[in-house]
Amino acid sequence: KQEVTQIPAALSVPEGENLVLNCSFTDSAIYNLQWFRQDPGKGLTSLLLIQSSQREQTSGRLNASLDKSSGRSTLYIAASQPGDSATYLCAVWGRGSTLGRLYFGRGTQLTVWP
Amino acid sequence: GAGVSQSPSNKVTEKGKDVELRCDPISGHTALYWYRQRLGQGLEFLIYFQGNSAPDKSGLPSDRFSAERTGESVSTLTIQRTQQEDSAVYLCASSLHLAGQETQYFGPGTRLLVL
Repeated sequence: KQEVTQIPAALSVPEGENLVLNCSFTDSAIYNLQWFRQDPGKGLTSLLLIQSSQREQTSGRLNASLDKSSGRSTLYIAASQPGDSATYLCAVWGRGSTLGRLYFGRGTQLTVWP
Repeated sequence: GAGVSQSPSNKVTEKGKDVELRCDPISGHTALYWYRQRLGQGLEFLIYFQGNSAPDKSGLPSDRFSAERTGESVSTLTIQRTQQEDSAVYLCASSLHLAGQETQYFGPGTRLLVL
């Protein structure tokens, strides 16, 4: 069964810092990898989706990389802001018999203080 | 257009009662997914529906859990004889198609507390 691990579990930084959130997965036979943001009382918001054939995706201050062979992904947040405070979830898409399922990590809870 | 909606937003029930959770996906989305998030845990896949194909029920934790979907619209997740360990946030998501090249759009969730 696919296991997804995120490190660190929590992170508290001052505004303006550049951040790296880490995600690892045990089965490299993934379809795609996706990063989400979860705010309290709200659903998940998709940030970036990296297809298995890609190595990175960028959106604004966010950059996500994927190394399938080593089972790792990183989410880089540049010039962090208090509005970035949320829980960041990494999820991998299954393939083959598990196509359609997302396997989630437990998340990194980020706090950015002014 | 509206996003994915879920109802109720919160539900408190007594152990042993049945509960029904509702999900309205984005119009036109053929795939619909249910997940569960227990306190301090990651999201767990429960079930997905894709068009008229048989649903993938392999994530349902026990036979007390069942789900239905009417065509490509509303879905209902039913938990019979609820137990305290069923307390969690139940999240629904939808996507245009099942293939993993498209993002899933999530609803706000239903927070279930079983006393």
